[in-house]
Amino acid sequence: GAGVSQSPSNKVTEKGKDVELRCDPISGHTALYWYRQSLGQGLEFLIYFQGNSAPDKSGLPSDRFSAERTGGSVSTLTIQRTQQEDSAVYLCASTRSGPYNSPLHFGNGTRLTVT
Amino acid sequence: AQTVTQSQPEMSVQEAETVTLSCTYDTSESDYYLFWYKQPPSRQMILVIRQEAYKQQNATENRFSVNFQKAAKSFSLKISDSQLGDAAMYFCAYGYNAGNMLTFGGGTRLMVKP
Repeated sequence: GAGVSQSPSNKVTEKGKDVELRCDPISGHTALYWYRQSLGQGLEFLIYFQGNSAPDKSGLPSDRFSAERTGGSVSTLTIQRTQQEDSAVYLCASTRSGPYNSPLHFGNGTRLTVT
Repeated sequence: AQTVTQSQPEMSVQEAETVTLSCTYDTSESDYYLFWYKQPPSRQMILVIRQEAYKQQNATENRFSVNFQKAAKSFSLKISDSQLGDAAMYFCAYGYNAGNMLTFGGGTRLMVKP
């Protein structure tokens, strides 16, 4: 299909290891978001990419978190030296322009479990 | 900072009946947008309905409608003729016109009883 694709769908890792989460947005969508959803909680904004502009990283919880978006398309969220509190579902969303006039299209998320 | 509060962690409704989910928000902005998103067990979030703050008329999408009270900063979602497929987590979200991202509430889990 032509939806937002995230991989892997589930990831179990040991504390202290690094992980990479991938997001393939819908073709032509210039805006891309990463959100984190902890168990039973709402969505916590992490980072926002819009075209070639500098990303809005204001939601990243620590310097162990980083993200990049190559060629204005695929994005990778990297978590270094994972901690148990990093366990959550990481959701990626894309939209044609900004989040207000066109809806966010979400992927199915990556469930990260840090043991 | 903007905050979005959903005071009902769980709600249940009988199939074919009507249910209202509550949402309040805090902002000093005058130009903003409000949304309800649905997250079924598959985890994929879907936009249900959208409201622009400058519009006084409440948004409606088929069985879904909102009661937008700007002065009270309240944005409730009414689901009429509830169906089993409506069972999901519902998230209220806010975004202001000069901002980049949506702020989400904690969600309300809706259960639909047959």
